[in-house]
Amino acid sequence: EAGVTQSPTHLIKTRGQQATLRCSPISGHTSVYWYQQALGLGLQFLLWYDEGEERNRGNFPPRFSGRQFPNYSSELNVNALELEDSALYLCASSFTGTGGADTIYFGEGSWLTVV
Amino acid sequence: QKEVEQDPGPLSVPEGAIVSLNCTYSNSAFQYFMWYRQYSRKGPELLMYTYSSGNKEDGRFTAQVDKSSKYISLFIRDSQPSDSATYLCAVMNRDDKIIFGKGTRLHILP
Repeated sequence: EAGVTQSPTHLIKTRGQQATLRCSPISGHTSVYWYQQALGLGLQFLLWYDEGEERNRGNFPPRFSGRQFPNYSSELNVNALELEDSALYLCASSFTGTGGADTIYFGEGSWLTVV
Repeated sequence: QKEVEQDPGPLSVPEGAIVSLNCTYSNSAFQYFMWYRQYSRKGPELLMYTYSSGNKEDGRFTAQVDKSSKYISLFIRDSQPSDSATYLCAVMNRDDKIIFGKGTRLHILP
């Protein structure tokens, strides 16, 4: 069974541009979480989508946005890129309604570099 | 106050030693307590999780939760060079987001 898949693996963008990152959850999972892991800051919660709806949002500016599609895949958009947006962006997925700790699985992440 | 506090290390120990990793958390309402292992340039993988208080053992790994002091620990016995990684503690409530500590970088010296 395929795990959580993310694309692209690496992305280099110029300051001010927009970046789009994609995530495909494990088959049958309906919840998708996005995290940012910047150097020295640990994993910071960005967004949580469940059944197509945004359930929760972390303390990030509005230029970080996303959506979840009917097939439960998800997209994270970062507008007006800043140098400090350079980080590993991690996606995780789980079942809806059985959100115990052992049901959440992470992908390998997308490395975003802003120059 | 951060929701989860974790010493970032790095922590270097000789092969075969017992490793002790610790975190504190601020909200007594958290129900799940987890440890993730993250190798360089990889996504985190769930190592251990505990629901409520107590101990849980899995091979060389033991996770402990003390809810009275809001303290969570991970012990690694007979440490191996392959255990070298970043270890992230995390907390959550059911059907909610995971809140992570910053992670402790662990080096096991051959």
